[in-house]
Amino acid sequence: EAQVTQNPRYLITVTGKKLTVTCSQNMNHEYMSWYRQDPGLGLRQIYYSMNVEVTDKGDVPEGYKVSRKEKRNFPLILESPSPNQTSLYFCASSLSGGGGMAQWGYTFGSGTRLTVV
Amino acid sequence: AQSVTQPDIHITVSEGASLELRCNYSYGATPYLFWYVQSPGQGLQLLLKYFSGDTLVQGIKGFEAEFKRSQSSFNLRKPSVHWSDAAEYFCAVGAVDSGNTPLVFGKGTRLSVIA
Repeated sequence: EAQVTQNPRYLITVTGKKLTVTCSQNMNHEYMSWYRQDPGLGLRQIYYSMNVEVTDKGDVPEGYKVSRKEKRNFPLILESPSPNQTSLYFCASSLSGGGGMAQWGYTFGSGTRLTVV
Repeated sequence: AQSVTQPDIHITVSEGASLELRCNYSYGATPYLFWYVQSPGQGLQLLLKYFSGDTLVQGIKGFEAEFKRSQSSFNLRKPSVHWSDAAEYFCAVGAVDSGNTPLVFGKGTRLSVIA
């Protein structure tokens, strides 16, 4: 089944303790992206990757890191989480990151609910 | 840059009633337009999309949307709502000549369905 898999689904952590949220897709998609979803703010893009070893900042990149060492995986790293990073996180992928990429739309993972205390 | 507005934060409809969710976009040319649905505890699922051609687009779960260039709108409709349609709905716009520009999402409309 074609899908984007995020892990874990739920995570409670303490301030300052480094964590990684994994994202993997099995569709050979070039484009991958991370979003956070907060009440009243909708989806805000954190980082995106057009292809392997190519990443770029989205609208709210502060406090986050990403890497794209292989096509299928796009982990989100919080080096020193803070309570304001408590949110629902989504990974998404799309067939192509090139011109006209938008026509493909995105496939989303099921989300990771992160709580930082 | 493109932008999208969903004017209604929350809508409540009775089961069996018709539904229309509004979406307005801002873009200098014809965009790619999408509607996604997010059921509680789930990720976003694509309902339908518009690229070109027929301005009335059919999607999954009995939904349809109509692209109106003159009004810069892409409203989502369903003739008869079921309780299982209660969810959050997101409109998204992509630039046809985007190059690397990601999709832009609206802030969402939460749909409640009452008996």
